[in-house]
Amino acid sequence: DAKTTQPTSMDCAEGRAANLPCNHSTISGNEYVYWYRQIHSQGPQYIIHGLKNNETNEMASLIITEDRKSSTLILPHATLRDTAVYYCIVSGLNNAGNMLTFGGGTRLMVKP
Amino acid sequence: DTGVSQDPRHKITKRGQNVTFRCDPISEHNRLYWYRQTLGQGPEFLTYFQNEAQLEKSRLLSDRFSAERPKGSFSTLEIQRTEQGDSAMYLCASSVSGWGEKLFFGSGTQLSVL
Repeated sequence: DAKTTQPTSMDCAEGRAANLPCNHSTISGNEYVYWYRQIHSQGPQYIIHGLKNNETNEMASLIITEDRKSSTLILPHATLRDTAVYYCIVSGLNNAGNMLTFGGGTRLMVKP
Repeated sequence: DTGVSQDPRHKITKRGQNVTFRCDPISEHNRLYWYRQTLGQGPEFLTYFQNEAQLEKSRLLSDRFSAERPKGSFSTLEIQRTEQGDSAMYLCASSVSGWGEKLFFGSGTQLSVL
């Protein structure tokens, strides 16, 4: 079973920031938070991941609360091409295979 | 980096037939994963390889399913005696093993069993 809770869907205006929340209250100290997205008819695409600290890359920022029980993915300037299903996944810090467990994700619709 | 390649993109078959899918991972990625995705659901893990060794199999992988990764390069997933319930998108991903491992997915093979 997925260990995260995400809203089923969200809307965002083009050019505005999209903030996607995720609850992972049972996360273990050795588990990363990963975000992937899936655009229609394509395979999932890696976005970002973090353990404790906030992270930023060319695609997005990841804000993780101090207690690590929730996080927010931020797309700073959403475009129509960001319309996709976004998956928040927690996965163990180990070297024995990263068998991601996908939940239902959040369907983000970016509107003109 | 040409990405993960899967072939074919689409496969239509009749119930009872055998089908085989191929996945070519990103060069020098030592891990290769297979997932299955049905309409409206997130991908579900099936199995993974580290180099040529198959290290984990999900209970979803029935006896009719077999996967190989000879020489630790490309992989094949075969389904024998297909059933209508096998209709799904079959996704392959590859990665470099290590902490904070990132999976790179292919575009998948869409299987329809009539």
